[in-house]
Amino acid sequence: QSVLTQPPSASGTPGQRVTISCSGSSSNIGSNTVNWYQQLPGTAPKLLHYNNNQRPSGVPDRFSGSKSGTSASLAISGLQSEDEADYYCAAWDDSLIGYVFGTGTKVTVL
Amino acid sequence: QVQLVQSGAEVKKPGASVRVSCKASGYTFTGYHLHWVRQAPGQGLEWMGRINPSAGDTNYAQNFQGRVTMTRDTSISTAYMELSRLRSDDTAVYFCARGFFDYFDYWGQGTLVTVSS
Repeated sequence: QSVLTQPPSASGTPGQRVTISCSGSSSNIGSNTVNWYQQLPGTAPKLLHYNNNQRPSGVPDRFSGSKSGTSASLAISGLQSEDEADYYCAAWDDSLIGYVFGTGTKVTVL
Repeated sequence: QVQLVQSGAEVKKPGASVRVSCKASGYTFTGYHLHWVRQAPGQGLEWMGRINPSAGDTNYAQNFQGRVTMTRDTSISTAYMELSRLRSDDTAVYFCARGFFDYFDYWGQGTLVTVSS
């Protein structure tokens, strides 16, 4: 069961901006950093953003993350067809003493 | 380059156990925690637990306490995840992932475990 809540889907046309929200609580997002993973169909997840708003090398700056209180968001600007994937937020949870993932958001490029 | 290569797909009967391996290369195996994450068909990601390859200490997600065992063999830079008393809802792809601080920077390719009578 996922502790972090995301919208099940999001969509946009090429070039548009899409934002994915991630809602948690004081024991996870509220007290720890948020990370985002991208999962293309049939592949392993890939780290997309870490420490709330940092991008690993190779990840385009079209992807930007932010956090406020017990929520976080990932924005994809200049949407491209290759961005069609599932996106998961994640954070450490101090109460569960474990790592928790979001419910996942499927991004569709129309 | 960092690589995590997992063992192949498994088919098990309910009640049996399965062991999945994850061989690391391209970095110092004992320098990073190794996590296990699973994904049931059409579902999201679920964290199972982690092992510190250096000391061998572990911590497991509450959902798997008593059924999962994570071990490692530092001589061959390989981590193992064993899940016992398998049920049909354990059918999933199991991933290992390298932990760096509180995020996972490299992932294995995944191992499909099918539990079916």
